[in-house]
Amino acid sequence: AQSVTQLDSHVSVSEGTPVLLRCNYSSSYSPSLFWYVQHPNKGLQLLLKYTSAATLVKGINGFEAEFKKSETSFHLTKPSAHMSDAAEYFCVVSDPSSGNTPLVFGKGTRLSVIA
Amino acid sequence: SAVISQKPSRDICQRGTSLTIQCQVDSQVTMMFWYRQQPGQSLTLIATANQGSEATYESGFVIDKFPISRPNLTFSTLTVSNMSPEDSSIYLCSVEGVPRNYGYTFGSGTRLTVV
Repeated sequence: AQSVTQLDSHVSVSEGTPVLLRCNYSSSYSPSLFWYVQHPNKGLQLLLKYTSAATLVKGINGFEAEFKKSETSFHLTKPSAHMSDAAEYFCVVSDPSSGNTPLVFGKGTRLSVIA
Repeated sequence: SAVISQKPSRDICQRGTSLTIQCQVDSQVTMMFWYRQQPGQSLTLIATANQGSEATYESGFVIDKFPISRPNLTFSTLTVSNMSPEDSSIYLCSVEGVPRNYGYTFGSGTRLTVV
């Protein structure tokens, strides 16, 4: 069965400093991996996705993530945090070959950005 | 990607009553998914709705409590029946991207409070 572990429930960074949100997964040989962001009182927005193409994936708003199969990781990074990045971030795995459940969500990481 | 209109955006309901949530998609989709996000928690899949057949429910969710309709390829409803305060959550619908694994699109969510 597939699963996702977000290693930090809360990350706090200063504005202008790098962001690292960690995610490890357990899935089949070729999972699809996503990062979604949820701003307060807003819906979910897709930041980026990995679907077995390039291992370094660039997303919106300057975010990127690297798929490392040997480490079963898909950490999200951004070189310089902005106040508007404060939100809840979800790492998500999809493995259609493992059953009907299309997406499995991590528990989320709340990112705070300090001025 | 598809655009989803979900309503209502929020509601406060009395215990014992029912609320029906609607999702309208701007394109035809085979499957629609309904999720629950309890306060401070991640998303949990309630059921998958295919047009013309009964919805497939995940473990812990039953049709009597969460009946789903899928009358056509662009529309679905989720009803939360006989509500209790424990049903207070955000409910979201979602559709799969095209091509598959492009990334799932989510509605903006319905924030339900049961008093």
